[in-house]
Amino acid sequence: DTGVSQNPRHKITKRGQNVTFRCDPISEHNRLYWYRQTLGQGPEFLTYFQNEAQLEKSRLLSDRFSAERPKGSFSTLEIQRTEQGDSAMYLCASSPTRQGRRETQYFGPGTRLLVL
Amino acid sequence: KQEVTQIPAALSVPEGENLVLNCSFTDSAIYNLQWFRQDPGKGLTSLLLIQSSQREQTSGRLNASLDKSSGRSTLYIAASQPGDSATYLCAVQQAGTALIFGKGTTLSVSS
Repeated sequence: DTGVSQNPRHKITKRGQNVTFRCDPISEHNRLYWYRQTLGQGPEFLTYFQNEAQLEKSRLLSDRFSAERPKGSFSTLEIQRTEQGDSAMYLCASSPTRQGRRETQYFGPGTRLLVL
Repeated sequence: KQEVTQIPAALSVPEGENLVLNCSFTDSAIYNLQWFRQDPGKGLTSLLLIQSSQREQTSGRLNASLDKSSGRSTLYIAASQPGDSATYLCAVQQAGTALIFGKGTTLSVSS
């Protein structure tokens, strides 16, 4: 168990460019989550996958954002036409499924995005 | 809409002190409440998870309590150490899977 990993750890881009982040969850976890955290705030939920199915999306996830988990393993989060307001830490988390219980979500180190 | 509030926003204590961090939530219909630790520029580390049917959980020098009816939780840290310096986040989980976080309490423990 190597924990949740995220790549890249840091990304600097110019306004209008597209960026893609990757998350590799803990291997036996079938649930995967994306959150966004801005300075001085707690993380805010973006979206959730159970295996390859995207089951929940926040209103924060505008049309410029898309997330995939094609084989139920790693996930990607793409932001098209980035804006300065997209600058934030993007956190990925995973959790196992237990019948009838919400389990602890294990977080990765995050990808810090800066849009110039 | 569920709102999570953490008080105080920042706290400074000398090493060895016992301290309490507070978390309140507006909707008592929760499945669980979690406390996380976040070091600067890093991800979150889960400290304690309390299911809605439980009143408290303990791990080492940490003790978390939950009073669901009043919408409150506390995180008690005994004999604080400089290594405890971090931001502590409280989060609740409701019918969906999303965690709803407070803004955190930033703790500084001086030696």
